[in-house]
This record gives sequence, structure tokens and C-alpha cells, in this order.
Amino acid sequence: DAGITQSPRYKITETGRQVTLMCHQTWSHSYMFWYRQDLGHGLRLIYYSAAADITDKGEVPDGYVVSRSKTENFPLTLESATRSQTSVYFCASRQGANSNQPQHFGDGTRLSIL
Amino acid sequence: GENVEQHPSTLSVQEGDSAVIKCTYSDSASNYFPWYKQELGKRPQLIIDIRSNVGEKKDQRIAVTLNKTAKHFSLHITETQPEDSAVYFCAATGGGADGLTFGKGTHLIIQP
Repeated sequence: DAGITQSPRYKITETGRQVTLMCHQTWSHSYMFWYRQDLGHGLRLIYYSAAADITDKGEVPDGYVVSRSKTENFPLTLESATRSQTSVYFCASRQGANSNQPQHFGDGTRLSIL
Repeated sequence: GENVEQHPSTLSVQEGDSAVIKCTYSDSASNYFPWYKQELGKRPQLIIDIRSNVGEKKDQRIAVTLNKTAKHFSLHITETQPEDSAVYFCAATGGGADGLTFGKGTHLIIQP
């Protein structure tokens, strides 16, 4: 469904460059999450946000920056990309503060860093 | 923090047979356990979930069981079909603000 969209779907960049991955949701969900997916590691939480202007670190935050000026957008920035950040990045959202509500994922961004 | 272990990493079953995937978790405070199915190149899709106040939940051919004492939960798929072939992930709440901690996935192969 189109409730949560990520862009771009594919990105190739070079080490040291800054790159921003976009996430937009139309459900007005308060919670949003960024995960990365690597072979052998499953999905790991990078950053999350409980509301506009409220963000916090997850399991693997080093090298990433997030912001959330509007409820519907949650961009993820790699300030100086490294090869170890080559991965598939998924954004997800959840309706509210209750942790036993489902998270729904976007289609992902496949990022390659040369 | 939370740690989720998932087994097996690969499971091959004959079409029509049942498949069982097992997960254990470490944080006794976890209270939500979803299962996601991911086809190649696609997003993880929620297929079933269970909350800590329930021991079993069923949705057609899919069921999940939860044993909070032993801290393990399992996915059961009956009468498997070719379209069930995918990677399945279990998860538990335990990340920041109850973000999900995922197992490493099970590649389910349905043999015709």
C-alpha cells in the first residue's frame, strides 16, 4: 500500500559523500523507525522518533543523523558515507505509543557505497 | 538489550506439509511478537502477531504460539503452498521506544 513511501529506491554513491534517504507516511502515525537489513544480521534499528522533534538512537546509530520537523517525514542522513553502510534501509511507522501495535514498512532503499 | 534467536536458518518442506519456525528472546519485559514475511526484493510484511497475554493465535493456515515462561514463540504454517516460499522473520519488542528486535530470518523453501 502507499501509506509509507521511501525514496530513492536505489542509490549509488561514493565514500565520503553525504546522502539522505527520505521516508514519508500518510497515516499520521506518531512513531517512525529506521532499520537497516544486512545478510546475516536481519533488520537492526538505527533511529526512531516518537513525534515531531523527538528522536532517539537505536541499536546501530553511528554514522547516521535523523530529523523530524514534520510528523509525516523522517529523513535519514549519512553525513560521510562508508562502505560498511552499504545496505538496504527500511523505514517503518506505528500508530501510537503502545508497543504492541504493528509496525508497517516501506519498500526500502537499496544503497551501495563504492 | 533484547536478543532474538531464530531457527532454523533454512527450512525445506514438501508442498502440503507443515513448517515450524522457532524463536527465543531474552527480555522478559517484551510483550509483542510479530512475524514478517519477506519476498525477494520486497518489504517485510506482517503476517501474524501475538501479544503477551495470549498463548496462541491462528489465522487460516498460519498460527503462532507463545510460551512466556520459557521465552520462546513459534510460527506454524500448515498445508504449505509454493507461494509460502520466502524469508520469515520473528521479532520482539525490546528496542528503543519498543522498536523491534529481529531474528536473523528463516528461508522457507517449498518443494513441489
